[in-house]
Amino acid sequence: DQQVKQNSPSLSVQEGRISILNCDYTNSMFDYFLWYKKYPAEGPTFLISISSIKDKNEDGRFTVFLNKSAKHLSLHIVPSQPGDSAVYFCAASGFGNYGGSQGNLIFGKGTKLSVKP
Amino acid sequence: DVKVTQSSRYLVKRTGEKVFLECVQDMDHENMFWYRQDPGLGLRLIYFSYDVKMKEKGDIPEGYSVSREKKERFSLILESASTNQTSMYLCASSATGVFQPQHFGDGTRLSIL
Repeated sequence: DQQVKQNSPSLSVQEGRISILNCDYTNSMFDYFLWYKKYPAEGPTFLISISSIKDKNEDGRFTVFLNKSAKHLSLHIVPSQPGDSAVYFCAASGFGNYGGSQGNLIFGKGTKLSVKP
Repeated sequence: DVKVTQSSRYLVKRTGEKVFLECVQDMDHENMFWYRQDPGLGLRLIYFSYDVKMKEKGDIPEGYSVSREKKERFSLILESASTNQTSMYLCASSATGVFQPQHFGDGTRLSIL
């Protein structure tokens, strides 16, 4: 039973356009959401996060939007660059994931973004 | 910057061998984690630790054990390696507190022959 879902395994975007990566979750106890970027043969790199008290967080070209009522978050990359081509993982955390301990993340299966020049 | 170092980038072992994967972090983080990543399955949590000598099972602990004798070091042990444990193994650490991201090492690509 997936608690964090990334329904698009892949996404292709033209350089300079907007990339929108989506993520849905089922557990209303989640209160912290993160996006990671992963290149092949490297570990995931933390990109941006948002807590449940906000609905938007922006960092340069990256913006994360959170819609709590829909249990949906999205990552916007504007403008997209070829170097953004990677697998993006959505992750969520909240009390009660594992015996009440905080800090554990539940990951989606990832979306492979390809930005074409 | 947080540095999480995994001892090997690539490792080849044989079925039945006892395998040790080592992870060291330099930020005095309390929490450390071991994941495996497989195509189409994302990252799955194997074990984690919130303090020295403490360990808790994640989603897929079968066939694995861990050791945390020092705060900075977290070891993953494959007691008797099997071919279905061929995977990318990722170690992560995080500070204790609200809304703390996990920081990952570069991973160990383990092949069991």
